[in-house]
Amino acid sequence: QVHLQESGPGLVKPSETLSLTCTVSGYSISGGYYWGWIRQPPGKGLEWIGSISHSGTTYYNPSLKSRVTISLDTSKKQFSLKLSSVTAADTAVYYCARASPTDWFDSWGQGTLVTVSS
Amino acid sequence: AIQLTQSPSSLSASVGDRVTITCRASQGISSALAWHQQKPGKGPNLLIYDASSLQSGVPSRFSGSGSGTDFTLTISSLQPEDFATYYCQQFNSYPLTFGPGTKVDIK
Repeated sequence: QVHLQESGPGLVKPSETLSLTCTVSGYSISGGYYWGWIRQPPGKGLEWIGSISHSGTTYYNPSLKSRVTISLDTSKKQFSLKLSSVTAADTAVYYCARASPTDWFDSWGQGTLVTVSS
Repeated sequence: AIQLTQSPSSLSASVGDRVTITCRASQGISSALAWHQQKPGKGPNLLIYDASSLQSGVPSRFSGSGSGTDFTLTISSLQPEDFATYYCQQFNSYPLTFGPGTKVDIK
């Protein structure tokens, strides 16, 4: 059974870059699935940030595209998120998830809270 | 971007009740809809994909229906562990989007 675990700093200063990593176990990250990042501001709903295919093709939410980079490291069984120029509006629980090739998310990490504050 | 609306935004129900949640898309999405359940402090859990396909391991009291713009999630007999927030998600086109959620709590 696939397991995903987010890791990274829980506090980021405004204007800096948020960096998170998702470690995948129980499934080959090079398999046919996609890998995504979704976030949830406190008390609010879910927002898709972007996804990366097993071959490295990326898909980003246009609302965040200018600030987002998602990458894949198959040797470490990880994929990563970088979000630049963060503000308080980027404070959220960040989830990594596995997506089918048609993009429904079938396995989720437990999430990690990232707070943007000086 | 395709917008999803859900109704109701919240509901109160009793154990054993039949519960129906509706999700409406701003344009046709065929059957490209999933339903996720989220409990407080946890990551979401996939219940239904392709509008009506039950994810492996999910109890059969959960069912989904619909196509085009109108979809429903039905819980045939609500159990104590079903009190949670439910989100629909469209995967017809990028950007992927989620509905605002429906919170189901105890009456």
